Amino acid sequence: DVVMTQSPLSLPVTLGQPASISCWSSQSLVYSDGNTYLNWFLQRPGQSPRRLIYKISNRDSGVPDRFSGSGSGTDFTLKISRVEAEDVGIYYCMQGSHWPLTFGGGTKVEIK
Amino acid sequence: EVQLVESGGGLVQPGGSLLLSCVGSGFTFSNFAMHWFRQAPGKGLEYVSTFSSYGGSTFYANSVRGRFTISRDDSKSTLYLQMGSLRTEDTAVYYCARDPCGNYCSPDYWGQGTLVTVSS
Repeated sequence: DVVMTQSPLSLPVTLGQPASISCWSSQSLVYSDGNTYLNWFLQRPGQSPRRLIYKISNRDSGVPDRFSGSGSGTDFTLKISRVEAEDVGIYYCMQGSHWPLTFGGGTKVEIK
Repeated sequence: EVQLVESGGGLVQPGGSLLLSCVGSGFTFSNFAMHWFRQAPGKGLEYVSTFSSYGGSTFYANSVRGRFTISRDDSKSTLYLQMGSLRTEDTAVYYCARDPCGNYCSPDYWGQGTLVTVSS
């Protein structure tokens, strides 16, 4: 199985300041069709996961442009340009290039 | 509006069985692969099973293979997970999710989840 590793585990952030989460995979996520199926999800407290980013850098409909994804191969990053109160929750990276689908352990973003 | 609504969770004894359902609306159910994921209390997300959108392919995590069976009825826009030989470690919130890829790549919409508790 592809192991997904996230850092940091916990990320206290001041409102209005930037935040960055890293995600690494144990093998390349480039699929045979040329796409890299690396996704980012946010799970707010008491809610189900919501997809924010797909294929490394594509924002889902309704996701604010303060969220951006980047990376390639095995190294990926999610950035929030200016953290808002509604961004609190646990962020998960997830790979969909190899079966079984696997998730990072999560990064808990909280406001200082 | 895309909606996925799970049901069927509850308290069951070890070794018991349970049938989960997930009804989709707001989209053409047959065009999407469908997944089950789970999240144990206070833990992260875990893949459980997939039913493809064509060809009827099914996939299972090693931890549930041989005990769980995934199925779907596109005429009812419903996904199922028949869970058997349940263990305490199967205790979790179970989520269904749709995937625009034929088999799997990127689940985009998730349901609200249904809690399964395996305990004597």
